[in-house]
Amino acid sequence: QKEVEQNSGPLSVPEGAIASLNCTYSDRGSQSFFWYRQYSGKSPELIMFIYSNGDKEDGRFTAQLNKASQYVSLLIRDSQPSDSATYLCADNTPLVFGKGTRLSVIA
Amino acid sequence: EADIYQTPRYLVIGTGKKITLECSQTMGHDKMYWYQQDPGMELHLIHYSYGVNSTEKGDLSSESTVSRIRTEHFPLTLESARPSHTSQYLCASSAGGRVAGANVLTFGAGSRLTVL
Repeated sequence: QKEVEQNSGPLSVPEGAIASLNCTYSDRGSQSFFWYRQYSGKSPELIMFIYSNGDKEDGRFTAQLNKASQYVSLLIRDSQPSDSATYLCADNTPLVFGKGTRLSVIA
Repeated sequence: EADIYQTPRYLVIGTGKKITLECSQTMGHDKMYWYQQDPGMELHLIHYSYGVNSTEKGDLSSESTVSRIRTEHFPLTLESARPSHTSQYLCASSAGGRVAGANVLTFGAGSRLTVL
């Protein structure tokens, strides 16, 4: 059974710092990975996806994928209090989510 | 504006009742999913469908059943609700296919079920 592992946190960072969220996966055949953000009481929403080794940047967010080591990470630069949420890592088909990492950005 | 709709948003019901949670999407997506999530806990995939007349069980065993008679509609049914079924149920859909990002999920707002 495929597994996606995340540190559940909570991860606390000061406003303006870089938040680093990590995820490992068990299925070497997984091709694509997704990062979702979930605010308390709300549904998950996509931040970004990545399917190639290396980095993918979108604004303040950078996803990193290392297929040899089977890990994927999300960096949030210039963290804001509004980034405080649970971040979910998921692999592709069917989409299996990690437990999520709670991020708290302290003003 | 949400393109995937779930009803009811909240439901409080007694033990033994039959319930159906509705999920409809207007995006023409082939793939649809049901997830169960307790407050502050992880998402568990309970059912999914890759198209009409196709349904599969997810990684979390569930006493619920689903059907996919129309592309846009993916209802979830509990024949006899129990307190252990109390949870948040999230429906999602994706286009599917080989295009990068084809499996990005769009989630509905969720149905919060409480069984007394």
